[in-house]
Amino acid sequence: GAVVSQHPSWVICKSGTSVKIECRSLDFQATTMFWYRQFPKQSLMLMATSNEGSKATYEQGVEKDKFLINHASLTLSTLTVTSAHPEDSSFYICSARDMRGPSTDTQYFGPGTRLTVL
Amino acid sequence: GENVEQHPSTLSVQEGDSAVIKCTYSDSASNYFPWYKQELGKRPQLIIDIRSNVGEKKDQRIAVTLNKTAKHFSLHITETQPEDSAVYFCAARKNSGGSNYKLTFGKGTLLTVNP
Repeated sequence: GAVVSQHPSWVICKSGTSVKIECRSLDFQATTMFWYRQFPKQSLMLMATSNEGSKATYEQGVEKDKFLINHASLTLSTLTVTSAHPEDSSFYICSARDMRGPSTDTQYFGPGTRLTVL
Repeated sequence: GENVEQHPSTLSVQEGDSAVIKCTYSDSASNYFPWYKQELGKRPQLIIDIRSNVGEKKDQRIAVTLNKTAKHFSLHITETQPEDSAVYFCAARKNSGGSNYKLTFGKGTLLTVNP
């Protein structure tokens, strides 16, 4: 099956620091990965689409300079929250498109990273 | 853009009963509809999906139906068990070259199965 990992699983940082979150597809190559943010008891909010070798596509209202995305290889995408503030505290989840087999639609999610900014 | 509405927001059933969750979508070009199950603090897990060329799909106790004309699709869980308790999300993928295969999610349904 398709496995997506994220690191770290949780992080606590001070306000003003930057935090990097990694998303890896472990047993498949993913040209496209997605970054979501999820608040407690709410749905998944797409932040950006990460494409290998090109610039990420950000959703409306998401600051690209605040949330830096780098998809440098077919198995790794990173999200860097720059100058983090308490309002950035959230659950960040990535997903990756598994392009193997007859379906190119299936997205598999990572376990998520809980960010707490003090 | 695509808009996905999901109902109900909460659903409580007795063990052994059936549960039905309904979603509607706005864009007739959408052609892929997955359902995800998310337990508290965990990742969303794909449980079943359906494409627009199929009206129904079943996998053991789980089934999904799609009505393209009405633009709605439903998740059916039969013989519910306490371990089915979780938040369920429906999603739709818009079929266009610029969509980048991104999914639009419903707001979720908290299903509680009482023993």
